[in-house]
Amino acid sequence: DAGVIQSPRHEVTEMGQEVTLRCKPISGHNSLFWYRQTMMRGLELLIYFNNNVPIDDSGMPEDRFSAKMPNASFSTLKIQPSEPRDSAVYFCASSIGDNYGYTFGSGTRLTVV
Amino acid sequence: GQQLNQSPQSMFIQEGEDVSMNCTSSSIFNTWLWYKQDPGEGPVLLIALYKAGELTSNGRLTAQFGITRKDSFLNISASIPSDVGIYFCAGYNNNDMRFGAGTRLTVKP
Repeated sequence: DAGVIQSPRHEVTEMGQEVTLRCKPISGHNSLFWYRQTMMRGLELLIYFNNNVPIDDSGMPEDRFSAKMPNASFSTLKIQPSEPRDSAVYFCASSIGDNYGYTFGSGTRLTVV
Repeated sequence: GQQLNQSPQSMFIQEGEDVSMNCTSSSIFNTWLWYKQDPGEGPVLLIALYKAGELTSNGRLTAQFGITRKDSFLNISASIPSDVGIYFCAGYNNNDMRFGAGTRLTVKP
């Protein structure tokens, strides 16, 4: 099992550019979560999907952020336009239904300059 | 929202020493969990607790779910250099996982 796969591992972009982060959950897991980690705010839940349907997006900071899950094996988190304050590590995690055993990916470190 | 208060923020200990960290909340959780995060990686689940008062061990790790369901602690016995990392507590209710701010552990050989 390859675990949760995120890409890219690192992204440096200029302010105003569009950024797309990608996640492949563990096969068979039907819940997917996007978290953001910063020194100031720690780990924050942005959005989660169950069976490819967004269930709670109350953590998405602004309309500049959007997430999709077109199928059970792929999700994207998009920031458009990006701003320096979006710089953080973004984690994707997956689990089986209500199982609390989240498996996290290695994260994408985003730097917006 | 639900707030988890984790302490201490950081610890510097000598190899072989025992470590204790804890987490409190203003809200009740059905499940308490402890994760460890190594540099450049995502958090990895160490221990999960399901019942108030439950005491669970995993090797040198011991964790307890508080009776009130609003707190938990994690102990690490006989620390070793590879215990270095950030430890997070997390409270879980119905696909909603909230994390503490983390305890950064440094172990001196």
